[in-house]
Amino acid sequence: NAGVMQNPRHLVRRRGQEARLRCSPMKGHSHVYWYRQLPEEGLKFMVYLQKENIIDESGMPKERFSAEFPKEGPSILRIQQVVRGDSAAYFCASSVTTGAYGYTFGSGTRLTVV
Amino acid sequence: DAKTTQPTSMDCAEGRAANLPCNHSTISGNEYVYWYRQIHSQGPQYIIHGLKNNETNEMASLIITEDRKSSTLILPHATLRDTAVYYCIVRALNQFYFGTGTSLTVIP
Repeated sequence: NAGVMQNPRHLVRRRGQEARLRCSPMKGHSHVYWYRQLPEEGLKFMVYLQKENIIDESGMPKERFSAEFPKEGPSILRIQQVVRGDSAAYFCASSVTTGAYGYTFGSGTRLTVV
Repeated sequence: DAKTTQPTSMDCAEGRAANLPCNHSTISGNEYVYWYRQIHSQGPQYIIHGLKNNETNEMASLIITEDRKSSTLILPHATLRDTAVYYCIVRALNQFYFGTGTSLTVIP
């Protein structure tokens, strides 16, 4: 039973390019969460999705960032026109449901903007 | 949303118990306490969670005070591989609020 799979593990983009980060949740998990971790800081919530629905995007920057979790395929976090400040580790987590259950996190995608 | 307060760093001798404290004085009655750890730059790893009773699993024990305003994570026999940042989290609805955690260093 594979865990939460994120790819790529490392992504380098030039300023102004687009970054697409993918997350495949654990089998049977229909809830996906994205977190961002800046250097030397804790993880910050970005967005919570269920299949085809965004449930809570209160942590998403207002511009350039978007997320989706289609009926088929992985969840995608898209960052348009990347800037140096977007350089961070982006972690995806999944859970079977909400409530008192914990998440399972992926290994993250480290985005570097040059 | 309840905030948590943890010491910035701690050391523990290998083979001894590591006791990591956490204060969450504004916790609500239906909010659970979760503990995760992050080893180097890997994804956070779930350790344990509880509501008001003490909990134990194969990794650790969680002791929650009767008033639920604080808790302690206990690693009974710390090993070098337990060196990590440990996060105490009180869950709020759809998200976890990660603070800066406690950096635990296990010393040989």
